[in-house]
Amino acid sequence: KAGVTQTPRYLIKTRGQQVTLSCSPISGHRSVSWYQQTPGQGLQFLFEYFSETQRNKGNFPGRFSGRQFSNSRSEMNVSTLELGDSALYLCASSLPSGGSTDTQYFGPGTRLTVL
Amino acid sequence: GDSVTQMEGPVTLSEEAFLTINCTYTATGYPSLFWYVQYPGEGLQLLLKATKADDKGSNKGFEATYRKETTSFHLEKGSVQVSDSAVYFCALSDHAGGTSYGKLTFGQGTILTVHP
Repeated sequence: KAGVTQTPRYLIKTRGQQVTLSCSPISGHRSVSWYQQTPGQGLQFLFEYFSETQRNKGNFPGRFSGRQFSNSRSEMNVSTLELGDSALYLCASSLPSGGSTDTQYFGPGTRLTVL
Repeated sequence: GDSVTQMEGPVTLSEEAFLTINCTYTATGYPSLFWYVQYPGEGLQLLLKATKADDKGSNKGFEATYRKETTSFHLEKGSVQVSDSAVYFCALSDHAGGTSYGKLTFGQGTILTVHP
């Protein structure tokens, strides 16, 4: 079974621009979660989507948004980019079965650099 | 809120040495616990998991036991290899009250370097 895929793998943008990242989950997985990884803050949860609905959101400004399509693919968008948005953005997919035991499987990430 | 604390790194070992990476947690409900590993330039790979007290997760020679009484999930390996050099993350998933859907809470990560 193919793993989680993320596109693009690398992005360079300038301050003030916006960016869209894409994530294709493992076939059959319906939940997609997004995380931001930075050296200073570590891994932080952005949001989670299930059946095209955002069920959970982390503590990020409204410039960070996402959506999920009927085939479970997900996109996240960051508007008005700031230097501090430079990070590795990871998405993860899971079935889910509904409890805390679900395992999340991660993609390789998109490395975003904001100049 | 939920939190995960890992031992300070980096950890540097010689090949075939014993490895312990400490992990303790605070959670509202009854969480599941995970160890993930990240190799340079890659995403996170699940190493092992445990979903209830006294469960032992194991994979590729790594083990960790879910200790509810000490709120710990320490990672161990009896004999490390150079190929184990990576960053290791302890994480928890807690669906207490249904407010944590799809959220993993991670520790800060421990860099492991193994020398031949």
